[in-house]
Amino acid sequence: DAKTTQPNSMESNEEEPVHLPCNHSTISGTDYIHWYRQLPSQGPEYVIHGLTSNVNNRMASLAIAEDRKSSTLILHRATLRDAAVYYCILRAPFFGNEKLTFGTGTRLTIIP
Amino acid sequence: DVKVTQSSRYLVKRTGEKVFLECVQDMDHENMFWYRQDPGLGLRLIYFSYDVKMKEKGDIPEGYSVSREKKERFSLILESASTNQTSMYLCASSHSRDVNYEQYFGPGTRLTVT
Repeated sequence: DAKTTQPNSMESNEEEPVHLPCNHSTISGTDYIHWYRQLPSQGPEYVIHGLTSNVNNRMASLAIAEDRKSSTLILHRATLRDAAVYYCILRAPFFGNEKLTFGTGTRLTIIP
Repeated sequence: DVKVTQSSRYLVKRTGEKVFLECVQDMDHENMFWYRQDPGLGLRLIYFSYDVKMKEKGDIPEGYSVSREKKERFSLILESASTNQTSMYLCASSHSRDVNYEQYFGPGTRLTVT
């Protein structure tokens, strides 16, 4: 399975944008890039996903490099509620590959 | 909103006990999953089910079994609990096996086996 690399931790000030990077240099052409986050004492929560083009939803934006070897999750205006561990994962579109495999992720701290 | 509920947030059991963890989802999802999450090991799939009475082994099924008698309910059973099964157990569901569909997680059950 293609692996992802994320910084262990990041800090950001409240109400400022946050850019969370993810490297996936061995990504295959069919792998989708998914982001989940896990707030303290809660189960993981889906954030966003994409294949090649940049994606936006109500929670965040996903910027995917042209060569797809890296991506960036963008929180446009961080709030205290965004403090969580963020996981970047790759998912191949084949049956039998339904499981989510989280690494250590990036622990995001929001400074009031 | 999709809701995945788990029967307990915290559970303490003794070694050798039979343990039942219940998960219910209210969105008519086809697929349901049981994971465990441990520090340093990340999320690992125990079992999943893509239909009623259907189940598939995940990466670490040993010591566990599952039951899915109704579409909305997926149970994880520890036949004889052991201390190495102390963990956070997470249930998830999804509408489809297609990767474009996200998985919705419950709040988790922190199980301690003494």
